[in-house]
Amino acid sequence: RKEVEQDPGPFNVPEGATVAFNCTYSNSASQSFFWYRQDCRKEPKLLMSVYSSGNEDGRFTAQLNRASQYISLLIRDSKLSDSATYLCVVTRTAAGNKLTFGGGTRVLVKP
Amino acid sequence: NAGVTQTPKFQVLKTGQSMTLQCAQDMNHNSMYWYRQDPGMGLRLIYYSASEGTTDKGEVPNGYNVSRLNKREFSLRLESAAPSQTSVYFCASTQFTDTQYFGPGTRLTVL
Repeated sequence: RKEVEQDPGPFNVPEGATVAFNCTYSNSASQSFFWYRQDCRKEPKLLMSVYSSGNEDGRFTAQLNRASQYISLLIRDSKLSDSATYLCVVTRTAAGNKLTFGGGTRVLVKP
Repeated sequence: NAGVTQTPKFQVLKTGQSMTLQCAQDMNHNSMYWYRQDPGMGLRLIYYSASEGTTDKGEVPNGYNVSRLNKREFSLRLESAAPSQTSVYFCASTQFTDTQYFGPGTRLTVL
Protein backbone atom coordinates (compact mmCIF):
# COMPACT_ATOMS: atom_id res chain seq x y z
CA ARG A 1 0.00 0.00 0.00
CA LYS A 2 1.33 3.45 -0.89
CA GLU A 3 1.99 5.76 2.02
CA VAL A 4 -0.03 8.56 0.41
CA GLU A 5 -2.90 7.77 -1.95
CA GLN A 6 -5.00 9.98 -4.16
CA ASP A 7 -7.74 9.48 -6.72
CA PRO A 8 -5.96 10.27 -10.00
CA GLY A 9 -9.13 11.71 -11.58
CA PRO A 10 -9.64 13.56 -13.77
CA PHE A 11 -12.33 15.54 -12.02
CA ASN A 12 -14.19 17.37 -14.78
CA VAL A 13 -15.65 20.51 -13.22
CA PRO A 14 -17.89 23.16 -14.81
CA GLU A 15 -16.56 26.66 -14.40
CA GLY A 16 -18.03 28.21 -11.25
CA ALA A 17 -18.76 24.87 -9.58
CA THR A 18 -17.28 23.43 -6.40
CA VAL A 19 -15.00 20.42 -6.40
CA ALA A 20 -13.57 18.49 -3.49
CA PHE A 21 -11.22 15.55 -3.26
CA ASN A 22 -9.37 13.65 -0.58
CA CYS A 23 -6.00 12.13 0.08
CA THR A 24 -5.40 9.28 2.50
CA TYR A 25 -2.17 8.57 4.34
CA SER A 26 -1.21 5.31 5.96
CA ASN A 27 1.28 6.34 8.63
CA SER A 28 -0.44 7.66 11.74
CA ALA A 29 2.85 9.32 12.76
CA SER A 30 2.60 11.75 9.85
CA GLN A 31 2.90 15.25 11.22
CA SER A 32 2.72 17.90 8.54
CA PHE A 33 0.45 18.06 5.54
CA PHE A 34 0.44 20.15 2.39
CA TRP A 35 -1.24 20.57 -0.95
CA TYR A 36 1.02 21.35 -3.90
CA ARG A 37 -0.21 22.34 -7.34
CA GLN A 38 1.47 21.16 -10.53
CA ASP A 39 0.62 22.56 -13.94
CA CYS A 40 1.21 20.44 -17.02
CA ARG A 41 4.93 19.88 -17.60
CA LYS A 42 5.86 22.35 -14.85
CA GLU A 43 7.35 22.05 -11.40
CA PRO A 44 5.18 21.58 -8.27
CA LYS A 45 4.46 24.68 -6.21
CA LEU A 46 3.10 24.93 -2.68
CA LEU A 47 -0.62 25.73 -2.70
CA MET A 48 -1.27 25.62 1.02
CA SER A 49 -0.37 23.94 4.27
CA VAL A 50 -3.06 21.94 6.06
CA TYR A 51 -3.60 22.71 9.73
CA SER A 52 -5.41 20.57 12.29
CA SER A 53 -8.18 23.12 12.65
CA GLY A 54 -8.64 23.41 8.90
CA ASN A 55 -7.70 26.48 6.92
CA GLU A 56 -8.90 28.58 4.06
CA ASP A 57 -7.07 30.59 1.44
CA GLY A 58 -9.45 32.46 -0.79
CA ARG A 59 -11.48 29.89 -2.74
CA PHE A 60 -9.45 26.97 -1.36
CA THR A 61 -10.25 25.15 1.87
CA ALA A 62 -8.12 22.37 3.33
CA GLN A 63 -9.16 20.01 6.10
CA LEU A 64 -7.33 17.37 8.13
CA ASN A 65 -8.99 14.35 9.69
CA ARG A 66 -6.41 12.59 11.84
CA ALA A 67 -8.81 9.95 13.13
CA SER A 68 -9.56 8.71 9.60
CA GLN A 69 -6.13 9.70 8.27
CA TYR A 70 -7.11 11.83 5.35
CA ILE A 71 -6.84 15.40 4.18
CA SER A 72 -9.14 17.16 1.78
CA LEU A 73 -9.08 20.09 -0.59
CA LEU A 74 -12.17 22.00 -1.67
CA ILE A 75 -12.16 24.54 -4.47
CA ARG A 76 -15.11 26.92 -4.68
CA ASP A 77 -16.18 28.95 -7.71
CA SER A 78 -13.74 27.03 -9.94
CA LYS A 79 -11.82 29.01 -12.54
CA LEU A 80 -10.37 27.74 -15.79
CA SER A 81 -6.96 28.54 -14.29
CA ASP A 82 -7.58 26.01 -11.50
CA SER A 83 -7.03 23.20 -14.02
CA ALA A 84 -3.97 21.40 -12.72
CA THR A 85 -2.81 18.35 -10.81
CA TYR A 86 -3.04 18.68 -7.04
CA LEU A 87 -0.43 16.77 -5.07
CA CYS A 88 -0.98 15.69 -1.49
CA VAL A 89 2.19 15.77 0.61
CA VAL A 90 2.95 14.50 4.12
CA THR A 91 6.06 14.63 6.29
CA ARG A 92 7.25 12.84 9.41
CA THR A 93 9.99 14.01 11.74
CA ALA A 94 11.12 10.38 12.13
CA ALA A 95 11.66 10.27 8.36
CA GLY A 96 13.99 13.25 8.49
CA ASN A 97 11.20 15.61 7.49
CA LYS A 98 11.36 14.34 3.94
CA LEU A 99 8.27 14.96 1.86
CA THR A 100 6.20 12.00 0.70
CA PHE A 101 4.04 12.75 -2.32
CA GLY A 102 0.79 11.26 -3.46
CA GLY A 103 0.33 10.51 -7.15
CA GLY A 104 -1.82 13.59 -7.67
CA THR A 105 -5.43 14.36 -8.53
CA ARG A 106 -6.05 15.93 -11.90
CA VAL A 107 -8.70 18.64 -12.09
CA LEU A 108 -10.04 19.96 -15.41
CA VAL A 109 -12.26 23.02 -15.24
CA LYS A 110 -14.35 23.48 -18.37
CA PRO A 111 -16.36 26.48 -19.63
CA ASN B 1 16.49 35.81 -7.48
CA ALA B 2 16.49 32.90 -9.90
CA GLY B 3 15.34 30.45 -7.20
CA VAL B 4 16.23 26.88 -8.21
CA THR B 5 17.80 26.35 -11.61
CA GLN B 6 18.45 23.05 -13.39
CA THR B 7 20.46 22.15 -16.45
CA PRO B 8 19.91 20.74 -18.95
CA LYS B 9 16.16 21.10 -19.61
CA PHE B 10 16.09 18.14 -21.99
CA GLN B 11 18.48 15.26 -22.63
CA VAL B 12 18.47 12.10 -24.72
CA LEU B 13 20.97 9.38 -23.83
CA LYS B 14 21.77 5.96 -25.16
CA THR B 15 21.80 3.01 -22.79
CA GLY B 16 25.11 2.89 -20.94
CA GLN B 17 26.00 6.55 -21.37
CA SER B 18 26.65 8.72 -18.34
CA MET B 19 25.60 12.24 -17.52
CA THR B 20 25.32 14.72 -14.67
CA LEU B 21 22.27 16.82 -13.94
CA GLN B 22 23.10 20.15 -12.36
CA CYS B 23 21.06 22.02 -9.77
CA ALA B 24 21.74 25.34 -8.07
CA GLN B 25 19.75 27.52 -5.67
CA ASP B 26 20.34 31.11 -4.68
CA MET B 27 18.09 31.20 -1.60
CA ASN B 28 20.78 30.16 0.90
CA HIS B 29 18.82 27.01 1.73
CA ASN B 30 20.46 24.26 3.75
CA SER B 31 18.58 21.26 2.35
CA MET B 32 18.42 20.10 -1.24
CA TYR B 33 16.66 17.16 -2.89
CA TRP B 34 16.50 15.18 -6.12
CA TYR B 35 13.21 13.61 -7.22
CA ARG B 36 12.04 11.71 -10.24
CA GLN B 37 8.47 11.86 -11.51
CA ASP B 38 6.94 9.12 -13.60
CA PRO B 39 3.35 9.04 -14.88
CA GLY B 40 0.92 8.11 -12.10
CA MET B 41 3.73 7.63 -9.58
CA GLY B 42 4.00 11.07 -8.04
CA LEU B 43 7.42 12.35 -7.08
CA ARG B 44 9.85 9.86 -5.59
CA LEU B 45 12.90 10.96 -3.64
CA ILE B 46 16.21 9.79 -5.08
CA TYR B 47 18.75 11.47 -2.78
CA TYR B 48 18.79 14.41 -0.46
CA SER B 49 21.29 16.60 1.33
CA ALA B 50 20.15 17.96 4.68
CA SER B 51 23.11 20.33 4.81
CA GLU B 52 26.35 21.08 3.04
CA GLY B 53 28.66 18.09 3.32
CA THR B 54 25.98 15.45 3.89
CA THR B 55 24.00 13.28 1.51
CA ASP B 56 21.53 10.47 2.13
CA LYS B 57 19.59 7.97 0.08
CA GLY B 58 15.93 8.43 -0.57
CA GLU B 59 13.33 5.98 -1.80
CA VAL B 60 14.87 5.12 -5.20
CA PRO B 61 18.68 5.69 -5.09
CA ASN B 62 19.86 2.75 -7.21
CA GLY B 63 21.68 3.78 -10.36
CA TYR B 64 22.37 7.32 -9.14
CA ASN B 65 25.04 9.22 -7.27
CA VAL B 66 25.01 12.75 -5.92
CA SER B 67 27.45 15.45 -4.92
CA ARG B 68 26.73 18.44 -2.71
CA LEU B 69 29.43 20.62 -4.20
CA ASN B 70 28.75 23.57 -1.88
CA LYS B 71 25.73 25.13 -0.24
CA ARG B 72 24.33 26.27 -3.58
CA GLU B 73 24.88 23.26 -5.81
CA PHE B 74 23.67 19.67 -5.73
CA SER B 75 24.35 17.43 -8.73
CA LEU B 76 22.89 14.07 -9.73
CA ARG B 77 24.94 11.62 -11.77
CA LEU B 78 23.81 8.65 -13.83
CA GLU B 79 26.89 6.48 -14.33
CA SER B 80 25.37 4.04 -16.81
CA ALA B 81 21.95 5.13 -18.00
CA ALA B 82 19.16 2.58 -18.43
CA PRO B 83 15.76 2.95 -20.15
CA SER B 84 14.13 2.62 -16.70
CA GLN B 85 15.70 5.97 -15.83
CA THR B 86 13.65 7.76 -18.46
CA SER B 87 11.78 10.28 -16.35
CA VAL B 88 11.41 13.91 -15.37
CA TYR B 89 13.92 14.91 -12.71
CA PHE B 90 13.24 17.73 -10.27
CA CYS B 91 15.63 19.37 -7.88
CA ALA B 92 14.24 21.15 -4.82
CA SER B 93 15.52 23.10 -1.86
CA THR B 94 14.19 24.19 1.51
CA GLN B 95 15.37 26.07 4.54
CA PHE B 96 12.86 24.66 6.97
CA THR B 97 10.59 21.65 6.83
CA ASP B 98 7.64 23.13 5.06
CA THR B 99 7.87 24.74 1.67
CA GLN B 100 10.11 23.10 -0.88
CA TYR B 101 11.00 25.16 -3.93
CA PHE B 102 11.40 23.20 -7.13
CA GLY B 103 13.45 23.76 -10.23
CA PRO B 104 11.84 23.58 -13.69
CA GLY B 105 12.88 19.95 -14.22
CA THR B 106 15.01 17.96 -16.63
CA ARG B 107 13.25 15.68 -19.11
CA LEU B 108 15.50 12.69 -19.68
CA THR B 109 14.97 9.98 -22.28
CA VAL B 110 17.19 6.90 -22.33
CA LEU B 111 17.03 4.90 -25.54
